[in-house]
Amino acid sequence: DTGVSQNPRHKITKRGQNVTFRCDPISEHNRLYWYRQTLGQGPEFLTYFQNEAQLEKSRLLSDRFSAERPKGSFSTLEIQRTEQGDSAMYLCASRGGARSYEQYFGPGTRLTVT
Amino acid sequence: QKEVEQNSGPLSVPEGAIASLNCTYSDRGSQSFFWYRQYSGKSPELIMSIYSNGDKEDGRFTAQLNKASQYVSLLIRDSQPSDSATYLCAVRYGKLTFGQGTILTVHP
Repeated sequence: DTGVSQNPRHKITKRGQNVTFRCDPISEHNRLYWYRQTLGQGPEFLTYFQNEAQLEKSRLLSDRFSAERPKGSFSTLEIQRTEQGDSAMYLCASRGGARSYEQYFGPGTRLTVT
Repeated sequence: QKEVEQNSGPLSVPEGAIASLNCTYSDRGSQSFFWYRQYSGKSPELIMSIYSNGDKEDGRFTAQLNKASQYVSLLIRDSQPSDSATYLCAVRYGKLTFGQGTILTVHP
């Protein structure tokens, strides 16, 4: 049973550039979550997919952020026109069926915007 | 605003002692509670989940839930230096809402 995988693990970009991250959930999990974590804080919810449908999006998520999950498998998170404040660890988590509430995290993608 | 608060750290305990980590939450409607361990530079790792009032034990870990007091705790018995990490309390309000974490250091 492979866990959640994320790519890339590290990304350094210049302010104003676009970046895209990928998450591959645990194979039988149909629910997928994106979180952002900054130093000294707990993860903060960004968005949630059930299969291919994006069911919830944080009000904190600006319109520069977009996420997709085509065909209900892997997901991508894109940040357009990056800002220094976007520097953080971006975490993906997946969860199984309706009665299984445990979320399992991938290794994360650390973004540094210079 | 649904909130999750953890006792401020850092918490330092000697090897072999019991470490006690505490968490309170604001919404009485929540039904699911989780503890994650996060080593420096790594992602959170699920160590315990609890859904009913009372205690749940798994090896050296015991989670305690009191819904009336809106309180959940994690006890680590026989603490080891390898337990040194940040412990995150999470409450499910649809998605997970996390506390800010408590840094635990177990010294030999």
